[in-house]
Amino acid sequence: DAEITQSPRHKITETGRQVTLACHQTWNHNNMFWYRQDLGHGLRLIHYSYGVQDTNKGEVSDGYSVSRSNTEDLPLTLESAASSQTSVYFCASSESTGIDEQFFGPGTRLTVL
Amino acid sequence: AQSVTQLDSHVSVSEGTPVLLRCNYSSSYSPSLFWYVQHPNKGLQLLLKYTSAATLVKGINGFEAEFKKSETSFHLTKPSAHMSDAAEYFCVVRSYNQGGKLIFGQGTELSVKP
Repeated sequence: DAEITQSPRHKITETGRQVTLACHQTWNHNNMFWYRQDLGHGLRLIHYSYGVQDTNKGEVSDGYSVSRSNTEDLPLTLESAASSQTSVYFCASSESTGIDEQFFGPGTRLTVL
Repeated sequence: AQSVTQLDSHVSVSEGTPVLLRCNYSSSYSPSLFWYVQHPNKGLQLLLKYTSAATLVKGINGFEAEFKKSETSFHLTKPSAHMSDAAEYFCVVRSYNQGGKLIFGQGTELSVKP
């Protein structure tokens, strides 16, 4: 069965370190998204991609970057981790056209000390 | 701009009683609306979606939602709550830009008492 996976599931890091969160989907979807979930804010969009070599900023993109070298993967990098980036991160994907649901990964809980 | 407002941050019901989770939306266009559920320490799962085909939408696990344009509402209901329904529920509208990003409400935590 097709799926979307994230790794690691839990990560503790220190302020200032670079961190990369992996997202891999086997749906062959063109659109991929990264969200963060914080209490009182629901989920907010960090970055998204329409396809290979395409990346776009979402509403809370500062301090984050993504790259899309193939259809299946959209890694999220925190250039220099800050305590404000302690959150749960969700990756999602959807088909490129139509009114499509987004399929979510299980999430990565990141703690920045 | 599109947005959703979930009117209750927490709802508590007894097992076997009806569930009502309220959501109002704002959209300049005919919206695509969703309800997602998140069980503790789990990812998000789609419960149902409205895409203008029918105003009453049936989803998984006995949930349904009714789209009411005149009231700009999309409330989620279930006739009889089960203990396994205890979770966080998100009302979501799909944006017409930014790659079709989802705009989430702040969530409603549903508790089910035995």
